[in-house]
Amino acid sequence: RKEVEQDPGPFNVPEGATVAFNCTYSNSASQSFFWYRQDCRKEPKLLMSVYSSGNEDGRFTAQLNRASQYISLLIRDSKLSDSATYLCVVNMKGGSARQLTFGSGTQLTVLP
Amino acid sequence: DAGITQSPRHKVTETGTPVTLRCHQTENHRYMYWYRQDPGHGLRLIHYSYGVKDTDKGEVSDGYSVSRSKTEDFLLTLESATSSQTSVYFCAISESGTSGIRSYEQYFGPGTRLTVT
Repeated sequence: RKEVEQDPGPFNVPEGATVAFNCTYSNSASQSFFWYRQDCRKEPKLLMSVYSSGNEDGRFTAQLNRASQYISLLIRDSKLSDSATYLCVVNMKGGSARQLTFGSGTQLTVLP
Repeated sequence: DAGITQSPRHKVTETGTPVTLRCHQTENHRYMYWYRQDPGHGLRLIHYSYGVKDTDKGEVSDGYSVSRSKTEDFLLTLESATSSQTSVYFCAISESGTSGIRSYEQYFGPGTRLTVT
């Protein structure tokens, strides 16, 4: 079983749609969670850190469910510019170790 | 954008030759990381550094070595390149002066595309 699992997609949605991605992680001791986006042939960029109570940044909402060990990302009112691969990222070791484990990513294409 | 550069950006080399990739940061961050990214595997940690001359192995360290003689530079060396090391290599940094979740946030350089023929 992969330590961080994501549905690879691809998700093809029309502009204006709402789309949700889920991610599961295996280590219950994990403490920190993130969503990154990666455009084709570019570096990953931090989209959001995920807080225990859930958090929102404009059209993006992230949720954490520790009991079920999953993280979600909701994108409302999708834009063409949202087309990218979304990476679920977890600090698997917990504690003070700063190593992050990356999911393989979910590909999103927003269609005009 | 975080001040991280990588050099070279593209490199083609032959099997058996040594290769060194450089990561340079202007943020004075303590932590630096080297990842490789391959289709189907996502990003995998090769080595990381938690200070000058302080390094440790990641998930896929075999065949790679690193050095950090200055805060701003982190070098990745392939002692004898193999075709399996054809990949995109990313450097990342993270802050040391923050606490909580912010201390784990990593910022990436633009990557180096390495082809070993």
